[in-house]
Amino acid sequence: DAKTTQPPSMDCAEGRAANLPCNHSTISGNEYVYWYRQIHSQGPQYIIHGLKNNETNEMASLIITEDRKSSTLILPHATLRDTAVYYCIVRVYGGATNKLIFGTGTLLAVQP
Amino acid sequence: KAGVTQTPRYLIKTRGQQVTLSCSPISGHRSVSWYQQTPGQGLQFLFEYFSETQRNKGNFPGRFSGRQFSNSRSEMNVSTLELGDSALYLCASSLVAGGLDTEAFFGQGTRLTVV
Repeated sequence: DAKTTQPPSMDCAEGRAANLPCNHSTISGNEYVYWYRQIHSQGPQYIIHGLKNNETNEMASLIITEDRKSSTLILPHATLRDTAVYYCIVRVYGGATNKLIFGTGTLLAVQP
Repeated sequence: KAGVTQTPRYLIKTRGQQVTLSCSPISGHRSVSWYQQTPGQGLQFLFEYFSETQRNKGNFPGRFSGRQFSNSRSEMNVSTLELGDSALYLCASSLVAGGLDTEAFFGQGTRLTVV
């Protein structure tokens, strides 16, 4: 599984967009990029995933570079409830497994 | 629909004892994975089950074991508990194993404290 690199922490003002970067320079052609977040003392929550096209859902947008070596998770209007650790994960598909390899993630602190 | 249910939520055990944790996946989900989370090691994959078969195993000693029942409910067991086994144990369920567009849904976890 490809490794990911994320900044350990970031701050964001409430109401502003939060842009969380992730580097996955060794990603393979059959690996998806997934984002999860974990609010303190809760189980991780799925946010979004993508292969090579940009993706958007009700929670966030995922921008993947053309070479797929990095991606950015965008929370368009951050709120205090978005304060959490955000994990960027790459995962093989079609391998009969849902195993997730979590890195250290980015602690996003949304400031009032 | 109901989410992933883990029981118990909190547990205190003594060194040397054994413990069994339970996970009920989302209805219809057949893949269940277990993870251990500690402040020092972060979130680490323990093992994964699909249709009662272990599909994948992480790098943990044999004291950690699991199983899955025909109704997809899963249990994990830790024998001869050590202080270092104190952690949040998380269970995740997915619709299928390795399928496209398959995300994992996590439970709230079981907080195990070994004293």
